[in-house]
Amino acid sequence: GEDVEQSLFLSVREGDSSVINCTYTDSSSTYLYWYKQEPGAGLQLLTYIFSNMDMKQDQRLTVLLNKKDKHLSLRIADTQTGDSAIYFCAERNSGNTPLVFGKGTRLSVIA
Amino acid sequence: NAGVTQTPKFQVLKTGQSMTLQCAQDMNHEYMSWYRQDPGMGLRLIHYSVGAGITDQGEVPNGYNVSRSTTEDFPLRLLSAAPSQTSVYFCASSYPGQGYGYTFGSGTRLTVV
Repeated sequence: GEDVEQSLFLSVREGDSSVINCTYTDSSSTYLYWYKQEPGAGLQLLTYIFSNMDMKQDQRLTVLLNKKDKHLSLRIADTQTGDSAIYFCAERNSGNTPLVFGKGTRLSVIA
Repeated sequence: NAGVTQTPKFQVLKTGQSMTLQCAQDMNHEYMSWYRQDPGMGLRLIHYSVGAGITDQGEVPNGYNVSRSTTEDFPLRLLSAAPSQTSVYFCASSYPGQGYGYTFGSGTRLTVV
């Protein structure tokens, strides 16, 4: 079945850029997503990218997609302490299939 | 406020008890799903539904039942609670056919003793 892999931890200094990486196995993935989970809360959709795109930028967030390598990354520019959270990568190959999530990357921002 | 509402937020059960976790959405989303989140395991799909009257199993369905009699509601039933079902449960919904991802509820933290 589909699998989504992420590194579990990332630590960065405030003001630096953070890059969170994700790999997936389903070559028919159509939609790829990044979610953020703050402590004690549900998941919040941060951004998404369709498989026919290579890059998407949204304010401090940049998503890069390498379909050949099945690699997705999320770059957060000027990382702030409020960005400390768990970030989940997820993929979906159609509008009616369930999202498949990675295990999440815990981002710690050091002041 | 529009969104996904889960109740209760916290629950403690004794082994063998049954209960229903409630999930309701007011966005007219056809697609709804239940996930459980455990440390180091990420989110695992329990059951999902693509519309009223239609449900299907996910990755970890054993010990759970669902039904979808209306578009708005998607309750999750624990038949006979076990300590292994101690987890945080999330309900999510979305429009079908659109790539905008899910809207998540705030979760139910369940402890089975």
